[in-house]
This record gives sequence, C-alpha cells and structure tokens, in this order.
Amino acid sequence: GAGVSQSPRYKVAKRGQDVALRCDPISGHVSLFWYQQALGQGPEFLTYFQNEAQLDKSGLPSDRFFAERPEGSVSTLKIQRTQQEDSAVYLCASSFGQGANTEAFFGQGTRLTVV
Amino acid sequence: GESVGLHLPTLSVQEGDNSIINCAYSNSASDYFIWYKQESGKGPQFIIDIRSNMDKRQGQRVTVLLNKTVKHLSLQIAATQPGDSAVYFCAERDPRAAGNKLTFGGGTRVLVKP
Repeated sequence: GAGVSQSPRYKVAKRGQDVALRCDPISGHVSLFWYQQALGQGPEFLTYFQNEAQLDKSGLPSDRFFAERPEGSVSTLKIQRTQQEDSAVYLCASSFGQGANTEAFFGQGTRLTVV
Repeated sequence: GESVGLHLPTLSVQEGDNSIINCAYSNSASDYFIWYKQESGKGPQFIIDIRSNMDKRQGQRVTVLLNKTVKHLSLQIAATQPGDSAVYFCAERDPRAAGNKLTFGGGTRVLVKP
C-alpha cells in the first residue's frame, strides 16, 4: 500500500481480554515504532524495531504489553489482560532508515476501548 | 469520528490570518525537531522539520523557528485556511536514543473561523 496501514481501526475489549493490534509499514522501511496516544495528549513512545530486532522497548508500560516483528515487516502489538487504563489510540510509524532526517510516517491508529 | 485533543489549549484564528503555535522542549540534547498536524481520526502528518544547527526554516505557507537558548520552538502558518484546523504537535529527537525515537509535546488545537 501507499502508507502505513493499521488494523483493526477500532477495537472494544472487555477488561481482562487479550488483544492484538497489527501494523503494516511502508514496504522497505527499516524502522518501525509503536506509540500510545491517550485522549487529549501527544503520542508517547512504546517500542522500536530495526528490521526484526526490537532495539528499544523502554516505553512499554508493563509486562502485559508485548510487540514483535518476526520477519522485519509486519508488526503486532499484543496487550494481555487489558485494563481500562489501556484505552487509547495505538499508533504505528515507519521510516526508511534509522539515522538523522529519516521522516517517520504514521498510520491512522487503532482506537482501543476497554470496558 | 474520534476526537483528538478534547482538553488541549486552543488557538482560534480567522481565515486568512497568520497563526503562531508555540512549543517548549526540555531536552538540551535534542538535535532534530518536527511539527506534526493531526486531524480527527487520523495519525500525525509531517509538516516541517528543523535541525538544531538552524534557527529558521521555511516551507509552503509554514515557517519553523528554533531558539535553543530558551528551548523554544514555534510554527507559523501564513494565511490560515479552514483545512488547517487540526491539532498540532511538536516533537523532538534525542540522537542518543535507539532509532531516534520522537518525544511529543502536548499539542495545540487550531480552529479556523470562516
């Protein structure tokens, strides 16, 4: 596709349920980022992949959050035993390189609502 | 659609006027700054960037100013149009961080009045 694609667009989960959010980055992009955006706030960094390697997961809020990118393209963010505070928009971004001046392109996000 | 920025500071501007959005950053090690525009229900969209060795950069109808002394960034939009209504975020990048991850500011909502 032409841009970063995320699915599902919306997800409603019951508290305690596990969810999986998918990101299809732009083809050929080496770097992939996940961000969490709470209502009324700016995106906050969760984790970063360079190809299939997860080089930074310092932003993951708890061990209930897990991300993978096994073949260096599609990535999945999994949240186990969801809680109400997990409700947010989850944004994925990709960029061609990992150095300076490599523009990151964002997907439309997945809006997760935990009830 | 979903609403981004229910509790954000808001700048109301008349169509055709110029807009100025301000952002303060805290990390003196940041070497690269970006302004993003986010419309309701969409992801952030790149507008313009600036490196720390510059103090001004111009694009089409937009200008970014960087004052490293006081760690301040601003975005100027000339002749604001209804399509400019959105939430605007500044973001900074620390070159020491893996992958050059971005740290976003809190955002400003711009409402353009016809």
